Amino acid sequence: KNQVEQSPQSLIILEGKNCTLQCNYTVSPFSNLRWYKQDTGRGPVSLTIMTFSENTKSNGRYTATLDADTKQSSLHITASQLSDSASYICVVSAIGYSTLTFGKGTMLLVSP
Amino acid sequence: NAGVMQNPRHLVRRRGQEARLRCSPMKGHSHVYWYRQLPEEGLKFMVYLQKENIIDESGMPKERFSAEFPKEGPSILRIQQVVRGDSAAYFCASSPGTNSYNEQFFGPGTRLTVL
Repeated sequence: KNQVEQSPQSLIILEGKNCTLQCNYTVSPFSNLRWYKQDTGRGPVSLTIMTFSENTKSNGRYTATLDADTKQSSLHITASQLSDSASYICVVSAIGYSTLTFGKGTMLLVSP
Repeated sequence: NAGVMQNPRHLVRRRGQEARLRCSPMKGHSHVYWYRQLPEEGLKFMVYLQKENIIDESGMPKERFSAEFPKEGPSILRIQQVVRGDSAAYFCASSPGTNSYNEQFFGPGTRLTVL
């Protein structure tokens, strides 16, 4: 059964600080891993997508890493801004399947 | 190019009524996915449709829920005889193709409240 576990469940950081969010997954056969940002009351927006052969991908101040051997991924946010306050969701998909498996997300609050 | 549109954004129904949620995919996208997000939970897949066809409905409850994506018009998620447990945010996503790498673009969601 495909599963995604994220940690921490929630996080508060000061504006300008960096943070790292974690994701452990179980999916077979692995196709790709995505990180989404979901603002309160809105739909998820894609930040990065990584396939098996990619171990890092950046999108501005967001950098995702993937270790396919340990089945772990992280999302690093640099120089956080108040607008980064949101839920960050790790999502995996399996080869041959159109459906996605979502984690519960990490709720990030950036405080001034 | 407008994004995925969902309406209504908020819907209040009494127990036993019907709820109809609409989703218009992005222009050029012929694949639609419906997800449900319960409070404090991650999004859960419900159903995957292409024009006039249900491709995968493995996440749909067996009773009261149905979905369609007609040749013309938006995709509809229909919930009959709603119960309080149906209260959730329902998100629609669309993609242009079947490759699992294809980006799924999400709408803003419909928040259903059952009184």
